[in-house]
Amino acid sequence: YVLTQPPSVSVAPGQTASITCGGNNIGSKAVHWYQQKPGQAPVLVVYDDSDRPSGIPERFSGSNSGNTATLTISRVEVGDEADYHCQVWDRNSDHYVFGSGTKVTVL
Amino acid sequence: QVQLQESGPGLVKPSETLSLTCTVSGDSFSGYYWTWIRQPPGKGLEWIGYVDYSGSTNFSPSLKSRVTMSMDASRRQFSLNLKSVTTADTAVYFCARVGVGKAVRHWGQGILVIVSS
Repeated sequence: YVLTQPPSVSVAPGQTASITCGGNNIGSKAVHWYQQKPGQAPVLVVYDDSDRPSGIPERFSGSNSGNTATLTISRVEVGDEADYHCQVWDRNSDHYVFGSGTKVTVL
Repeated sequence: QVQLQESGPGLVKPSETLSLTCTVSGDSFSGYYWTWIRQPPGKGLEWIGYVDYSGSTNFSPSLKSRVTMSMDASRRQFSLNLKSVTTADTAVYFCARVGVGKAVRHWGQGILVIVSS
């Protein structure tokens, strides 16, 4: 199972960033999103398509339908600049799959 | 709160075996997939596989022929062995705890392993 992400997204502070994750019928799977800053381990920011772990700002939201899942960052801040990775679990094979990652640059 | 810490050599020669250990503190071993994930420099995350409390394993198809994993619950450790390494195996290796079919909530800090002669 393959997940496709755009290599990069640029956004101005205060605006909205949308990061897509494409996969065959991904809408039937639970999608998780991770934020990763340089030299650090990834941090879970959205799980099960649209839920947020405690401590993650409401500015981070997710959706998933058809062949595309989307992570949306509202009111982008300079501190949101990072790589973002999507991930699913393939129930049939019991394998975990990551997307290629998207670098978000805050202009 | 569970904590994970990777350990092992940071430099491995081509054709040799990469061996890493993850030490776990703070939680039970049962009911989870104890997982290895890697990230080549400048690239995305790659799931390597997992070992569960019973010792059952499941590996990425692309690495399956070279990977073994084991669990030592008494020492609160699990390990990764990757044989016949090449420079393409140079990466930061993360250990993690994952619920079955769930998101990865708990990660180690990662350890950089360079494959070079």
